[in-house]
Amino acid sequence: DGGITQSPKYLFRKEGQNVTLSCEQNLNHDAMYWYRQDPGQGLRLIYYSQIVNDFQKGDIAEGYSVSREKKESFPLTVTSAQKNPTAFYLCASRVGGPGWEQFFGPGTRLTVL
Amino acid sequence: GENVEQHPSTLSVQEGDSAVIKCTYSDSASNYFPWYKQELGKRPQLIIDIRSNVGEKKDQRIAVTLNKTAKHFSLHITETQPEDSAVYFCAASIRNAGNMLTFGGGTRLMVKP
Repeated sequence: DGGITQSPKYLFRKEGQNVTLSCEQNLNHDAMYWYRQDPGQGLRLIYYSQIVNDFQKGDIAEGYSVSREKKESFPLTVTSAQKNPTAFYLCASRVGGPGWEQFFGPGTRLTVL
Repeated sequence: GENVEQHPSTLSVQEGDSAVIKCTYSDSASNYFPWYKQELGKRPQLIIDIRSNVGEKKDQRIAVTLNKTAKHFSLHITETQPEDSAVYFCAASIRNAGNMLTFGGGTRLMVKP
């Protein structure tokens, strides 16, 4: 289970607030990803980054922002522009080059009050 | 973009029986097809994957088949056990285009003892 950590495990947010979800990996992986999972549904890609200081939008990037200042870290900010942010957020990483498999972190469950 | 459809959404089998889950994808450029198992509230765990240069892969009680012409792939679990009960997700990605995973909607497998 080690290698990718996410914090906090549970997060509560009031409407209109920005919150930042942490994702850290010590696997020396180049690529990192953020997915959102709604109850009873599959995962959808929010943002991904293949190298430091570079990231790309996924399918549902509106209302989210990311940064990739360090190889180990890929924080996700859920802004007040995200209309329905309550969901389970999963971070993943993948070794660059020939690597295929994505390894997932334990997730952060965000609830908007 | 890629679209992945997964069926059935729920599957109930008796312990010892086989279970089959099917997925179709839309982008013929996809060349990597992982299957993940997710227990309630936990992170997805990779159980098997297949690349487009092979048609079948087996790992003990689990096997995956791929039909590139028809653009579908299937997960086969034999001799099911209660601990196989979970939600299973298929996914597809293009290996040299960021390896972004597009997930199916998931199948809830229930193995009755």
